[in-house]
Amino acid sequence: SYELTQPPSVSVSPGQTARITCSGDALPKQYAYWYQQKPGQAPVLVIYKDSERPSGIPERFSGSSSGTTVTLTISGVQAEDEADYYCQSADSSATYRVFGGGTKLTVL
Amino acid sequence: QVTLKESGPVLVKPTETLTLTCTVSGFSLSNARMGVSWIRQPPGKALEWLAHIFSNDEKSYSTSLKSRLTISKDTSKSQVVLTMTNMDPVDTATYYCARNIAVAGTGEYWFDPWGQGTLVTVSS
Repeated sequence: SYELTQPPSVSVSPGQTARITCSGDALPKQYAYWYQQKPGQAPVLVIYKDSERPSGIPERFSGSSSGTTVTLTISGVQAEDEADYYCQSADSSATYRVFGGGTKLTVL
Repeated sequence: QVTLKESGPVLVKPTETLTLTCTVSGFSLSNARMGVSWIRQPPGKALEWLAHIFSNDEKSYSTSLKSRLTISKDTSKSQVVLTMTNMDPVDTATYYCARNIAVAGTGEYWFDPWGQGTLVTVSS
């Protein structure tokens, strides 16, 4: 079955830039999406179609894609950004949806 | 304002069938670009997509759970129902429903927004 691979954890100090990667063989063909999940809350969409930002999401959140890897970048990290982040995409035929294993972002 | 709300039992016994209902508001299940997915998350673990349904009744299921899942919708009631048979303790999880927004002509979509989720525990 198709898998997306994320690092389990990323740590940054406030004001620094956090980069969270997600790798998958079908990513050159399928868009990636990113969700933020804070403890006890439902996930929230922060990036769609690789690099589009929904309304209401701060400009410090951005996304990029290169080959089989997509990256969520958070510039000028704030304490409120501490959360789990999940990438999501589809298999090569766009039949099934897949989530990455999630990355815990810690703001030191 | 678009909202989704999950409802169903909080506790089911092993081997029983789980039935969950997602009631949506702020959009119509007959909208061509929109659908609803079910996603679950075991305690402390990652998200897992389960199934989706679109306005034309197009459905898809997780390959690993396909034999146990059925998704359906009642457009007049703005509800999407998921049934999962033969429940097991490993199915203990928070179950979310989320609106699908499709990218025209591609078969791709994303989840936005999500319901608050409902925790289902499987135990005798």
